[in-house]
Amino acid sequence: DAKTTQPPSMDCAEGRAANLPCNHSTISGNEYVYWYRQIHSQGPQYIIHGLKNNETNEMASLIITEDRKSSTLILPHATLRDTAVYYCIVRTGNQFYFGTGTSLTVIP
Amino acid sequence: DVKVTQSSRYLVKRTGEKVFLECVQDMDHENMFWYRQDPGLGLRLIYFSYDVKMKEKGDIPEGYSVSREKKERFSLILESASTNQTSMYLCASSPDVTDTQYFGPGTRLTVL
Repeated sequence: DAKTTQPPSMDCAEGRAANLPCNHSTISGNEYVYWYRQIHSQGPQYIIHGLKNNETNEMASLIITEDRKSSTLILPHATLRDTAVYYCIVRTGNQFYFGTGTSLTVIP
Repeated sequence: DVKVTQSSRYLVKRTGEKVFLECVQDMDHENMFWYRQDPGLGLRLIYFSYDVKMKEKGDIPEGYSVSREKKERFSLILESASTNQTSMYLCASSPDVTDTQYFGPGTRLTVL
């Protein structure tokens, strides 16, 4: 099963782009990369997902390297409300494997 | 928007009690999931269901059972609660078993 590696914590200045990296070097060809975030004491919130191509939605952009061994979640203009734990997940069939994520703190 | 609700945000029970955690989704999703979340361990899948009356074990089913009598409702049951089941319990649903999962707010259960 593919697993992910993320830095345990990051800081970002308010209004700047937050770039959250994720390594998934053992990912296989049919496994999607998902990103969720969890604000303290709430359930995880879906952000974005992708397979091979870069993806963008109203919340974020997802950049996946050509070899698919890593990806980056980009929050283009971080706000204080983006302070949360961000999980990079590789979905294998019907299973989502959540790791311990990156705790992002947006600083005023 | 998908709405997944859980019956309680906080619950305190005693060792040996039978505990029911309820989850309801309003989007007619086929699939529902129960996870527990513990510090340093991330989320771990307990059980999931891909249809009414159907269930599959996840990674840590021991000490738990589930019930899905109606499509919108998925219950997690602790037959005899123990202190090591103190945790945050999260329910999720998805339209397809391989699709995006949408989570409820969680129930923080404390077993004394």
